[in-house]
Amino acid sequence: KNEVEQSPQNLTAQEGEFITINCSYSVGISALHWLQQHPGGGIVSLFMLSSGKKKHGRLIATINIQEKHSSLHITASHPRDSAVYICAVEETSGSRLTFGEGTQLTVNP
Amino acid sequence: DVKVTQSSRYLVKRTGEKVFLECVQDMDHENMFWYRQDPGLGLRLIYFSYDVKMKEKGDIPEGYSVSREKKERFSLILESASTNQTSMYLCASSLVRGRTEAFFGQGTRLTVV
Repeated sequence: KNEVEQSPQNLTAQEGEFITINCSYSVGISALHWLQQHPGGGIVSLFMLSSGKKKHGRLIATINIQEKHSSLHITASHPRDSAVYICAVEETSGSRLTFGEGTQLTVNP
Repeated sequence: DVKVTQSSRYLVKRTGEKVFLECVQDMDHENMFWYRQDPGLGLRLIYFSYDVKMKEKGDIPEGYSVSREKKERFSLILESASTNQTSMYLCASSLVRGRTEAFFGQGTRLTVV
């Protein structure tokens, strides 16, 4: 079993829909990262959080430390949101990141 | 803005060649990482470094080595490239050991023929 599990693996939505991507992990962590990867490979950090909730524009990330679960929400989705979204955790034992396999999001116009 | 630059976007090398992948960051970050990304496997850590001349093995170091002679530069070396090393390679850096945002390079897609 992977230490970091994301769901769904693939997600197709219509423009304007509210999107949720989930991440569960099985280890103690000091922080959780949400990353975005567009075709072509470059990865951009969206959020780093260790508790509660963060918001940036149409993106919201939440984390529940007790339940070892995080969600990434996209409000009013747009085709330019189409990308792979990756959850990664920093274990309390060190600063290495352990990654989920990613969620491929496609937003159709 | 922090910039992490990888020397090549695309590389094609022959089996047995020695391959160098270079990564440079411009924000005086302590930590640098090399990952490979393969379909269905996600990102896997090859090597990382917390300081100049320091290196630690990640999860899949076999067939690779690294060099960090200067703080801003972290090189990944494939001693004798093999076809199973065909992959996307990503470099990353972060300021402090744990709890700070990681910044990624644009990736190098390496094909070994």
